[in-house]
Amino acid sequence: AQSVTQPDIHITVSEGASLELRCNYSYGATPYLFWYVQSPGQGLQLLLKYFSGDTLVQGIKGFEAEFKRSQSSFNLRKPSVHWSDAAEYFCAVNSGGSYIPTFGRGTSLIVHP
Amino acid sequence: GAGVSQSPRYKVAKRGQDVALRCDPISGHVSLFWYQQALGQGPEFLTYFQNEAQLDKSGLPSDRFFAERPEGSVSTLKIQRTQQEDSAVYLCASSLAGTGNTGELFFGEGSRLTVL
Repeated sequence: AQSVTQPDIHITVSEGASLELRCNYSYGATPYLFWYVQSPGQGLQLLLKYFSGDTLVQGIKGFEAEFKRSQSSFNLRKPSVHWSDAAEYFCAVNSGGSYIPTFGRGTSLIVHP
Repeated sequence: GAGVSQSPRYKVAKRGQDVALRCDPISGHVSLFWYQQALGQGPEFLTYFQNEAQLDKSGLPSDRFFAERPEGSVSTLKIQRTQQEDSAVYLCASSLAGTGNTGELFFGEGSRLTVL
């Protein structure tokens, strides 16, 4: 069965600093990978997705993520964090045989001024 | 509508009461998912519809949970004889394509259920 691990429950960064949120998945073949963001009281919004091809994908709001097959990882990055980026971030995976995304438990991003 | 709409946004129920949560997906979206999100956790899959067909209900935690989408658009998640452990945010998401779809899910804002 597919699974997703987000090892960091909370991440605190200063505004303007760089950010990396970790995501590891367990599935043998190349999965479909997603990052979603959830602001308080809001639904989840897609930041970016990876299906195939270039392993570095660009998303909205200046985010990018890199698929590393050897590490079973799909880490989310942003070079300079803004206070408005404070939110909950979820990594999700669809394995090839499933159309149902499995979500990680999320990482809460706190941004200090 | 422009996005996925869920109602009610907040529901407080006494233990043992039945509740119904409504999801109005984006018009024309074939796929509809229900997820349960407990406090501090990620969304957990409950059930999936393709049009009016419920193709997967493996995530429903008990037979007290029932979902339907009779005309392939609006969906209702019903919970009978609510228990305290049912307290969570119930998220609905829709997607344009059907099975084999690897596209984006569009989420509603969720219905927060509190069972006293």
